[in-house]
Amino acid sequence: AQTVTQSQPEMSVQEAETVTLSCTYDTSESDYYLFWYKQPPSRQMILVIRQEAYKQQNATENRFSVNFQKAAKSFSLKISDSQLGDAAMYFCAYRNTFQGAQKLVFGQGTRLTINP
Amino acid sequence: KAGVTQTPRYLIKTRGQQVTLSCSPISGHRSVSWYQQTPGQGLQFLFEYFSETQRNKGNFPGRFSGRQFSNSRSEMNVSTLELGDSALYLCASSLAQQGKVFFGPGTRLTVL
Repeated sequence: AQTVTQSQPEMSVQEAETVTLSCTYDTSESDYYLFWYKQPPSRQMILVIRQEAYKQQNATENRFSVNFQKAAKSFSLKISDSQLGDAAMYFCAYRNTFQGAQKLVFGQGTRLTINP
Repeated sequence: KAGVTQTPRYLIKTRGQQVTLSCSPISGHRSVSWYQQTPGQGLQFLFEYFSETQRNKGNFPGRFSGRQFSNSRSEMNVSTLELGDSALYLCASSLAQQGKVFFGPGTRLTVL
């Protein structure tokens, strides 16, 4: 079974600085998706970024980028120019691609605090 | 395009009762899945439906059930509620094969 591990329960960063959240996963599959989701205090789960395992190029969405290391099974999220609105729980998630299965396997989350 | 909607947003029930939660996916999405989120267990997969068929099921007791209708709307039911069922229940939808999974705002269930 696939597993996702986020080893940093909490992180903090100064506003406008850069922070990196770590995620490792375990799978025997060669093709899959990886995601980062943000969950602010409203509890709405917001998709931040998606990476397809067959793509070598790291995904980027504005201030958010990932460092995808397939061989190491590592998938970190970098947030540049941190803003107060980035404060939230961040979850790393894995999804298989076979059979169009939608099941997501989540890590335990990292609580990110932005210091003004 | 409207996002995933869930009703009700909040529910308070007592032990032994049953509850039904509803989810309407994004228009055109035929795949719907449900997750339970608790402080202790984190986010756990409940089940997934595609075109009215349950395609995948998590490790939950039979008290948890669900279904999907022809318009892709989905319901989940929990019977004989226990205190431990108190949680945020999240519904998600996606286009099959597209990869991106979008979540609704959740239903907060409290069991007294």
